[in-house]
Amino acid sequence: DQQVKQNSPSLSVQEGRISILNCDYTNSMFDYFLWYKKYPAEGPTFLISISSIKDKNEDGRFTVFLNKSAKHLSLHIVPSQPGDSAVYFCAGLGTYKYIFGTGTRLKVLA
Amino acid sequence: KAGVTQTPRYLIKTRGQQVTLSCSPISGHRSVSWYQQTPGQGLQFLFEYFSETQRNKGNFPGRFSGRQFSNSRSEMNVSTLELGDSALYLCASSLDSGVNTEAFFGQGTRLTVV
Repeated sequence: DQQVKQNSPSLSVQEGRISILNCDYTNSMFDYFLWYKKYPAEGPTFLISISSIKDKNEDGRFTVFLNKSAKHLSLHIVPSQPGDSAVYFCAGLGTYKYIFGTGTRLKVLA
Repeated sequence: KAGVTQTPRYLIKTRGQQVTLSCSPISGHRSVSWYQQTPGQGLQFLFEYFSETQRNKGNFPGRFSGRQFSNSRSEMNVSTLELGDSALYLCASSLDSGVNTEAFFGQGTRLTVV
């Protein structure tokens, strides 16, 4: 039962443009969501989070949007930079555990 | 402030052996979680410990076990290794995964079973 889904395994974007990564979830009990970035051979790095009482959270070039009725969240990166090329995971906080999606590989083209 | 430290970084074992991985959380963090990452499977939750107590466990066989010490350091053990256990094992620490807070990951231990 995949409670958190990232349906796009990969995404390519031109440098300077917007990257939009999507995530859907099925568990209505999630009230906290996170995005992580992962480079090869490294552990995931925390990027940004959002509480279910909000619909938007912004941190520099990164903005996360939450649509509770659609059980959907998205991560916007503006402007995209080559260093943003990585695998991005979304996660929902369940009962004493973070439930992750399978990730989206973002490639930012110079 | 030191991050999450996992040792060893790389490990090669043969089928049937057992292995112990170690994780030292960020100072002050009492929750430690373990995840297995394999290609195409994302991060699969193994178990979570808080103040030496396992609070949640994922859908892994009993060959996978863990523990947490009074200083919050944690170990996970895999017995009777199988080829399919080859993966990146990640440890994450947080103040308390029972509340809305982010977890911070170590660099992982790459386990190869041959």
